[in-house]
Amino acid sequence: QVQVVQSGAEVKQPGSSVKVSCKASGGTFKTSGFSWIRQAPGQGLEWMGGIIPISGSANVPQKYQDRVTISADESSSTVYMELSSLRSDDTAVYYCARGNGDFFQYWGQGTLVIVSS
Amino acid sequence: SYVLTQPPSVSVAPGKTAKITCGANNIGTRSVHWYQQKPGQAPVPVISYDSDRPSGIPERFSGSNSDNTATLAISRVEAGDEADYYCQVWDSASDLRVFGGGTKLTVL
Repeated sequence: QVQVVQSGAEVKQPGSSVKVSCKASGGTFKTSGFSWIRQAPGQGLEWMGGIIPISGSANVPQKYQDRVTISADESSSTVYMELSSLRSDDTAVYYCARGNGDFFQYWGQGTLVIVSS
Repeated sequence: SYVLTQPPSVSVAPGKTAKITCGANNIGTRSVHWYQQKPGQAPVPVISYDSDRPSGIPERFSGSNSDNTATLAISRVEAGDEADYYCQVWDSASDLRVFGGGTKLTVL
């Protein structure tokens, strides 16, 4: 059974960083595609970037290239997303989604990140 | 960048068919995926690659894609279908994944 389980909620100060984890089970980790998708309160879904662990490199939209780092640890079957220079408008639920190709077949439960002083 | 346009809301009576559109230039040449999201829950895929139903999705859900419009159809709508629905594609030119703005389906 394929699953992705994310780390718990975080409260962060403006200007700090947050690192969210996504632990995968089932299937073949290193050839699966993992993406990070965020949803601000009352808003839609926004793709923040993705990685295929075997490739070793992440694909991040230009909008986030200076603030988002996506990485994968094959030894623990875990993918990470680190967002730096946090602002209040980064307050959102962050989802990890897994699939092959461009289809997000399996979703994590979401991680709420609150940015507040 | 590639933009997907969805109507903000669609309303339908129980037992009728709801149609939610996703418009973009030549979207018919791309694979479109649809996700259902209920309040407080993670999205759930309901249609992949234009018209495939993932395991466990009722046959009432169907998809089509042609020219400049992709459509998610839900027949015999039930109260439990009330949710937000998002379309999504891969923009090969930019290698980015793109979501539509979402459509809130209300069952009257």
